[in-house]
Amino acid sequence: DSGVTQTPKHLITATGQRVTLRCSPRSGDLSVYWYQQSLDQGLQFLIQYYNGEERAKGNILERFSAQQFPDLHSELNLSSLELGDSALYFCASSVGLAGMGEQFFGPGTRLTVL
Amino acid sequence: DQQVKQNSPSLSVQEGRISILNCDYTNSMFDYFLWYKKYPAEGPTFLISISSIKDKNEDGRFTVFLNKSAKHLSLHIVPSQPGDSAVYFCAASGLGGSNYKLTFGKGTLLTVNP
Repeated sequence: DSGVTQTPKHLITATGQRVTLRCSPRSGDLSVYWYQQSLDQGLQFLIQYYNGEERAKGNILERFSAQQFPDLHSELNLSSLELGDSALYFCASSVGLAGMGEQFFGPGTRLTVL
Repeated sequence: DQQVKQNSPSLSVQEGRISILNCDYTNSMFDYFLWYKKYPAEGPTFLISISSIKDKNEDGRFTVFLNKSAKHLSLHIVPSQPGDSAVYFCAASGLGGSNYKLTFGKGTLLTVNP
């Protein structure tokens, strides 16, 4: 158990809909990262937050947005969903700002768009 | 453009033998490298890392080698055990703009046969 929790575990929805994925980092970790893992892709970095502020952006679509709240939990919002958005979404956390060093991953949310 | 490449999607070895997983990178700004292991239905877990100032790091049965001139790293597992069967991701970190982020390869599925 990494100490990072993600809800829900599974999500099935239809095209055009909007969903919210939630992540609670390990106690004491200030950085939260979101990753997408599609069938034929590795882990694609989406976005990083540190202590409530956006710090780095990766291959995140404009239809996707995220935020980190004062209690440090984070939410990833996916809107106008398309079939291709079906994937595993992982949240990770780390103590500090940098990507150097270990990131602790949650169990993931499997999103299926029908 | 894949900056971190794991060219072998799968590898099968016998229990007790050595497993060698390879990873190549293209971005010379990467200065920290990590290996993660992932079991089905779980998030990736950190295995071992190496800084670019070193060429070898050892932790028990796991050794990571870094060849900076060739932009190549490898993970050696000796001896391999059936419990090592998992997907192994290579990841690299480097300064991109003002922030670090992790770039992952697509993973190699290791199967250790009893």
